[in-house]
Amino acid sequence: EADIYQTPRYLVIGTGKKITLECSQTMGHDKMYWYQQDPGMELHLIHYSYGVNSTEKGDLSSESTVSRIRTEHFPLTLESARPSHTSQYLCASSDPGTSGEEQFFGPGTRLTVL
Amino acid sequence: TQLLEQSPQFLSIQEGENLTVYCNSSSVFSSLQWYRQEPGEGPVLLVTVVTGGEVKKLKRLTFQFGDARKDSSLHITAAQPGDTGLYLCAVLGGETSGSRLTFGEGTQLTVNP
Repeated sequence: EADIYQTPRYLVIGTGKKITLECSQTMGHDKMYWYQQDPGMELHLIHYSYGVNSTEKGDLSSESTVSRIRTEHFPLTLESARPSHTSQYLCASSDPGTSGEEQFFGPGTRLTVL
Repeated sequence: TQLLEQSPQFLSIQEGENLTVYCNSSSVFSSLQWYRQEPGEGPVLLVTVVTGGEVKKLKRLTFQFGDARKDSSLHITAAQPGDTGLYLCAVLGGETSGSRLTFGEGTQLTVNP
């Protein structure tokens, strides 16, 4: 069982609110990722990090920001939420391994912006 | 252009039927992964295939990596409702992805009791 956690699991907020989605992993992985996904649809990479103080934007443009001050923690922040931000947000971490890079995913945060 | 093309995009079948889903590309990869995502959860790795022509079995699931290492298939025998989920293939690399995993769009499988 993967040791990667996301909180909250569900969040319903009003337009204009600032929110932070938490992601933590206890596996000591250097690489961490944030994906945005609509139900049953493909994953869109929005941010990734290869280690402390390293953050990069992903393939899908996002108004969110991330930080990586500690190896185990990779929070995502939306300064002013809008209805278009309604989606599921998945955090993942990875270990290079010996036969390809397995990503371990958290359970996701389902965000609804009213 | 998608690096990985998965087909079909949606599949709805009855319990007990067999099915095959595909993951295709024009690029060659050193390895390919299959993940399954159940509703309300994150994806979980099912298998990694690394050798052209390789076949791996996981209970009723059979994974094959193409001889040229450009494509892969997942065959499920006697599907059960618990197989319902989004099946994603993924590879390392791509022109803009470097050492990151690139996922296909997924096949959404529904197995009806």
